[in-house]
Formats: sequence, structure tokens, C-alpha cells
Amino acid sequence: ELKVEQNPLFLSMQEGKNYTIYCNYSTTSDRLYWYRQDPGKSLESLFVLLSNGAVKQEGRLMASLDTKARLSTLHITAAVHDLSATYFCAVDFLMEYGNKLVFGAGTILRVKS
Amino acid sequence: KAGVTQTPRYLIKTRGQQVTLSCSPISGHRSVSWYQQTPGQGLQFLFEYFSETQRNKGNFPGRFSGRQFSNSRSEMNVSTLELGDSALYLCASSLDGRFATYEQYFGPGTRLTVT
Repeated sequence: ELKVEQNPLFLSMQEGKNYTIYCNYSTTSDRLYWYRQDPGKSLESLFVLLSNGAVKQEGRLMASLDTKARLSTLHITAAVHDLSATYFCAVDFLMEYGNKLVFGAGTILRVKS
Repeated sequence: KAGVTQTPRYLIKTRGQQVTLSCSPISGHRSVSWYQQTPGQGLQFLFEYFSETQRNKGNFPGRFSGRQFSNSRSEMNVSTLELGDSALYLCASSLDGRFATYEQYFGPGTRLTVT
């Protein structure tokens, strides 16, 4: 059974600081997603990582994937208040037909001014 | 291109009742997946439909069921509602996933409250 672990689960950080969220998973997969969720809202896709060594950046967020280590990271650079949200990683689990996403528990990020 | 739509957006039901939620996928997408999000269990896979057939099912009781129509629209049904069924139900659609995986696009969700 595929397990996905995120840490930390809660992150309180000052504006301007850097930090990294980690996502470990237990079974081979070549595809991983990062999502953002604001309170009461649906999931907003941030990054799609499709292969080993993939690195993607958007603004102050950068995501990477190491399929051999079964690890993805979401790095936050110079945090701003607008980044406050819950961040989820999701691993694409290929089934006999089709696929399903297995999500981490989420990291609640609070950026303080 | 219009995104994934879900109706209704909010729903309040009483224990023991049943409920039907609807999802219209992005045009051209034939795979529809459903997820349940609760504070305690997080985001969990319910089931996936492709070409009107349930291909995969998560670990949920038989009270949770679904179907898909020929136009790829999908419905999920929960019978004999329990308080623990209160959750945000998310629908996601993707392209033909028969032999490959494609990104899933999520709808806005249906917030179900069971009292």
C-alpha cells in the first residue's frame, strides 16, 4: 500500500525566511504533484513533476523530485503572507487500469509579518 | 475550455438520508475520479470511472457508490448518511487513462454536512 508522508505538518515562519517541505513516499512512482489549498476551497495545482531530477519553479516556490530516494521537496524562498495556505503533495499510483492519487497529510503554512 | 464543475456546492443532510453529487468533467476527458477530504482522514480516493465503468475503488463502505454516463458526467451517491460522511467531496477529471496516466484536474468540490 502506497504511503505518502509530509513534514512538517505545520509550519509557522516569518516573512522573508526560507524553508522546505518534504514529501516521502513508499512505492515507486515517476509522477508527483504539489497542490495548494486555501480554506474552504478546492485544490490548486502548483507543480507537476514527471521524472527523476525534475525541478520546477514558480515565483517563490520551487519543487524537485528524486524518484530514487522517493522524495520530493517544496522550497519556499523569502516567504510572503500570501503564501499562507495548506500544501499537499500527491503521488500518482498506477493501477492495473488507470491511476489514483495518494495524498500526503498536508502542511499548514502560516507566514507571519 | 471550461473546467470541472460540481453541483451542488453545498449540501446539508440528516443522518440516514441519502445524497447524490454530480460532476461534469472537462470536455474530452473520459476519466473521472472522486476524493473525500475530512479533517481526520485527509484526502482519500473513493473511486474512478472510465467509459461508464468503475475501474478502481478505494477503501470505503458499500454505502458509497457512483456511476458515469455516456457523456462522461459522473454522479456519486452516499446512502444512509452518517455524521462521519461530512466532508468536502472533490471530483477530478483527466484524459484517457487506459494505458497512461494523465494529470487530474479538480473541481471546486461539494461541501456535505450531515446533521
